[in-house]
Amino acid sequence: GQNIDQPTEMTATEGAIVQINCTYQTSGFNGLFWYQQHAGEAPTFLSYNVLDGLEEKGRFSSFLSRSKGYSYLLLKELQMKDSASYLCAVSVTDKLIFGTGTRLQVFP
Amino acid sequence: DSGVTQTPKHLITATGQRVTLRCSPRSGDLSVYWYQQSLDQGLQFLIQYYNGEERAKGNILERFSAQQFPDLHSELNLSSLELGDSALYFCASSVGDRSEKLFFGSGTQLSVL
Repeated sequence: GQNIDQPTEMTATEGAIVQINCTYQTSGFNGLFWYQQHAGEAPTFLSYNVLDGLEEKGRFSSFLSRSKGYSYLLLKELQMKDSASYLCAVSVTDKLIFGTGTRLQVFP
Repeated sequence: DSGVTQTPKHLITATGQRVTLRCSPRSGDLSVYWYQQSLDQGLQFLIQYYNGEERAKGNILERFSAQQFPDLHSELNLSSLELGDSALYFCASSVGDRSEKLFFGSGTQLSVL
């Protein structure tokens, strides 16, 4: 079967750093994506990892360990607009499977 | 703006009815994907089409069907609607057929009363 786990909710303070973890067990693996989704809106692409290691893109970084079936999204210098759901998604042979998402609330 | 167009934005209908959701992919994208997102649920993959042909199938009910037309737009047909079908339905597109980076439309909010 296919299983992707993320924490349901997280809270953080403006200006802080937060790490959102994702563990997966899937049959097949072609890469791991992180998407951001504001309430009622479309998911938007944040990052893509296919090899082990850290990918940095501005305030956002994503890490992957294929041997451990583990990824995290690191958000630095949090802003109020970062309050959203963050979706971990694994690309398997013929589809992109999403986790249920982590709802992040950023407080002033 | 992702470049993916979905219509309508909102749809309110009654149980037992049939509706059609429409999606136009980004220019140049050959794949269209349909996802269902219910309250407190993740995005559930329904079906993928690539260049007019069905490429992958997820947990799509038999009451649901989809197709991709020669101009690459896609339609998702939902029939014999039930209360539990109320959800946000997203269409996404990509260039190739291997679930690479997806671009999502703004979704159709379906309410079955």
